[in-house]
Amino acid sequence: DTEVTQTPKHLVMGMTNKKSLKCEQHMGHRAMYWYKQKAKKPPELMFVYSYEKLSINESVPSRFSPECPNSSLLNLHLHALQPEDSALYLCASSPAGTSGTINEQFFGPGTRLTVL
Amino acid sequence: GQNIDQPTEMTATEGAIVQINCTYQTSGFNGLFWYQQHAGEAPTFLSYNVLDGLEEKGRFSSFLSRSKGYSYLLLKELQMKDSASYLCAVRVGGGFKTIFGAGTRLFVKA
Repeated sequence: DTEVTQTPKHLVMGMTNKKSLKCEQHMGHRAMYWYKQKAKKPPELMFVYSYEKLSINESVPSRFSPECPNSSLLNLHLHALQPEDSALYLCASSPAGTSGTINEQFFGPGTRLTVL
Repeated sequence: GQNIDQPTEMTATEGAIVQINCTYQTSGFNGLFWYQQHAGEAPTFLSYNVLDGLEEKGRFSSFLSRSKGYSYLLLKELQMKDSASYLCAVRVGGGFKTIFGAGTRLFVKA
């Protein structure tokens, strides 16, 4: 299984809602990532988990809360979002090897989020 | 600061060869990736360079010069399905932080 899956595919939420994005991989990867991508822009790194521990938080507002319950799952909890948070949210995973490994990222199809 | 530059758009003809350049100025360097992204889809990994030189993978090759902060992706025997955005990305530091360039939109015409 060389796939990263994300649910839901599309999400529309109001500014007072609480919702969660889910990501799953079964490739044995021990690094997992959340990116935000606006139209015609590159992916922007939000969070990285390495061995289920948060290793990078790119100064993301607290209305985004990541969670890594186990080595296969990654969640992004959303609360009190703003319309400017509307974007494609991509999850990725990679091996977490040290020297000599490529650690290329495998991306999921993304969740297209619209905040009203 | 971190900066990755790529041309915004390129157009090439089916069957031809195209070279997409990428220059970078980053604090720390731990490898350069090229990804392909079709409109509305997720990026997919194409190639990786960490040492100077050329890496060849079928119709795709990627080159790196660390002293010049420069890489290119070479696509040969272009096909219509190669129309996509090509993202240059640099891993910085010893961890997993990867910075993406804005991408080059390639249009392949018949």
